[in-house]
Amino acid sequence: RKEVEQDPGPFNVPEGATVAFNCTYSNSASQSFFWYRQDCRKEPKLLMSVYSSGNEDGRFTAQLNRASQYISLLIRDSKLSDSATYLCAVKRSGGYNKLIFGAGTRLAVHP
Amino acid sequence: SQTIHQWPATLVQPVGSPLSLECTVEGTSNPNLYWYRQAAGRGLQLLFYSVGIGQISSEVPQNLSASRPQDRQFILSSKKLLLSDSGFYLCAWSPTNNEQFFGPGTRLTVL
Repeated sequence: RKEVEQDPGPFNVPEGATVAFNCTYSNSASQSFFWYRQDCRKEPKLLMSVYSSGNEDGRFTAQLNRASQYISLLIRDSKLSDSATYLCAVKRSGGYNKLIFGAGTRLAVHP
Repeated sequence: SQTIHQWPATLVQPVGSPLSLECTVEGTSNPNLYWYRQAAGRGLQLLFYSVGIGQISSEVPQNLSASRPQDRQFILSSKKLLLSDSGFYLCAWSPTNNEQFFGPGTRLTVL
């Protein structure tokens, strides 16, 4: 079993739709969690950190469920420009700052 | 503000040739530095990380090596490239023990 797992998708949604992705992690001692966005043939860019209390940034909401060991990303009112691959990353506890990345979930927003 | 540079952006090399990819960070000091590889359609694989000048840790045995000759310079090298070394090479930095920020990447094709 991979340490961080994501549904690869693609999620095909119309503009204006609400879409949610989950990311499960296997190491219960994981400390920090992040969502990154990666456009085709580009580098991943940090979208948001995921805090225990959850956090929201405009149309994006991230949640952490430690009991079930997953994080989620909710995108409301999808835009064409949201089309990308969304990577989750999990930081292990202790040691140096090593992030384990999921393979990503592809989102395609269509008119 | 901090910026991270990588070059070259693309590279086509024959099997058996040497490799040198460079990454530099501006606007910060003593960053943690990372090299990742992303194979086509795959997740990010951490190759090396460094917490300071001359300090390199390898994550997986491979045909590659890394060096950090200066505080904000990170170099990925190989003496003889293999076909399997093809991929998207990403350098990342982190200011503290949390988020990582990626450079634009180098797309390497080994023929």
